[in-house]
Amino acid sequence: NAGVMQNPRHLVRRRGQEARLRCSPMKGHSHVYWYRQLPEEGLKFMVYLQKENIIDESGMPKERFSAEFPKEGPSILRIQQVVRGDSAAYFCASSPQGGGNTEAFFGQGTRLTVV
Amino acid sequence: RKEVEQDPGPFNVPEGATVAFNCTYSNSASQSFFWYRQDCRKEPKLLMSVYSSGNEDGRFTAQLNRASQYISLLIRDSKLSDSATYLCVVTSLVNAGNMLTFGGGTRLMVKP
Repeated sequence: NAGVMQNPRHLVRRRGQEARLRCSPMKGHSHVYWYRQLPEEGLKFMVYLQKENIIDESGMPKERFSAEFPKEGPSILRIQQVVRGDSAAYFCASSPQGGGNTEAFFGQGTRLTVV
Repeated sequence: RKEVEQDPGPFNVPEGATVAFNCTYSNSASQSFFWYRQDCRKEPKLLMSVYSSGNEDGRFTAQLNRASQYISLLIRDSKLSDSATYLCVVTSLVNAGNMLTFGGGTRLMVKP
């Protein structure tokens, strides 16, 4: 039973390029969360998705960032026209359902470096 | 005011010491509570759930006080391997989903 899989583990992009981060939730999990962590800082919530549905995107920057979780395939966090300040670790977590006493499980993260 | 607040530390303790962390949350409708552990540059991992009756797992004890809206984690007989950042997590219903809100983490350093 594979855990949450994120790829790539490390991603280097030049300023202005696009970054695509992928997250495959654990089997049977239909809820996905994306968090960003800057060096020496805590986890910052970005977006919460169900299959084909954005539940909460209050943590997403208004421009350049988007996320999706299609019916088939992984969840994608997309960052357009990356800037140096986007360099961070991006973690994805999944949970089996909404509501109730359900914990989330994290992937190993994607470390984005913008040069 | 942050939704979930923790003392960032660091807590520097000798091996064998007992150390306690607290976490306060602002949403009285919060449903579930957890402690996660994060090692440097790695993903957070679930340490334990927190129940109203309190729960213990080996050297770790978690307590929840709903009236005062705080959660605690007690670590007895600290080991060097306990050095990490401990994250308090609170969940609440949002649009029929289950929002996880993380505290900023408390850093623990156990020294020989």
